[in-house]
Amino acid sequence: QQQVKQSPQSLIVQKGGISIINCAYENTAFDYFPWYQQFPGKGPALLIAIRPDVSEKKEGRFTISFNKSAKQFSLHIMDSQPGDSATYFCAASSGKTSYDKVIFGPGTSLSVIP
Amino acid sequence: ETGVTQTPRHLVMGMTNKKSLKCEQHLGHNAMYWYKQSAKKPLELMFVYSLEERVENNSVPSRFSPECPNSSHLFLHLHTLQPEDSALYLCASSQADRGGEKLFFGSGTQLSVL
Repeated sequence: QQQVKQSPQSLIVQKGGISIINCAYENTAFDYFPWYQQFPGKGPALLIAIRPDVSEKKEGRFTISFNKSAKQFSLHIMDSQPGDSATYFCAASSGKTSYDKVIFGPGTSLSVIP
Repeated sequence: ETGVTQTPRHLVMGMTNKKSLKCEQHLGHNAMYWYKQSAKKPLELMFVYSLEERVENNSVPSRFSPECPNSSHLFLHLHTLQPEDSALYLCASSQADRGGEKLFFGSGTQLSVL
C-alpha cells in the first residue's frame, strides 16, 4: 500500500514533442505528490508538486495532472528539449509525522532527441 | 557554500574496510536523511534524523551506522560491507516543522564494494 508505481521505465521523445510519465498510488492518506528530476552525477531536485485539492498544476512547460478518484497523477513536459533529458521520479507523502516519509517511484529515464 | 554537500563523491572499498560518508547542509533545515539509490530501483530511505534524533531505521543492516552530531552534519559509517551494497548514497535535508515534504539532495557518494 506504500508503493508508488511509475511508467514507462524509459521514454524517447523528439525535440518539441510532449513527454508524458504516469504514476499511481494506493495509500489514500498521501496528500502531497512531488516530481523530482535527476541529471547524471547529481542528486534529485524538486521539479514541481501538487496537492489533491487541485486537478492540475502548471509551471512553465511542466504540468501535473491529478486524478484523485483513480489515484493517478502524471507529468507532462510540453515542447520537450534535449536539456530535459534526465531521470524523473514521482513521489508521494502524507505529512503525518514530524518529518515526511517520501515514497518514490522507480523512475523514468527520458531522452529527448534533436 | 550553499545546499547539501556530500563527501567523498566516489569511494571504493574492500569488504573488510571501514569508511565514513559525510554530509553537510547549509539550508538551516532540522531533518536529515540517508537514501540508497540502486539501478532500476526506487530510492530507499535508510535513516531519518529529525531534530537530531533518529526517527526511522528501515531495517537497515547494522553494517551501516548513522551519526548526526548536530542539525547540519550527518555521517554514515560503513564497515564489513557486501558487494550488493554498491550504490549511490544520497543525503537529503528538509524543514520538518513546515511539512517537510521538500527534500533537498546532495550529489551523492558513488560507493563500490569490491
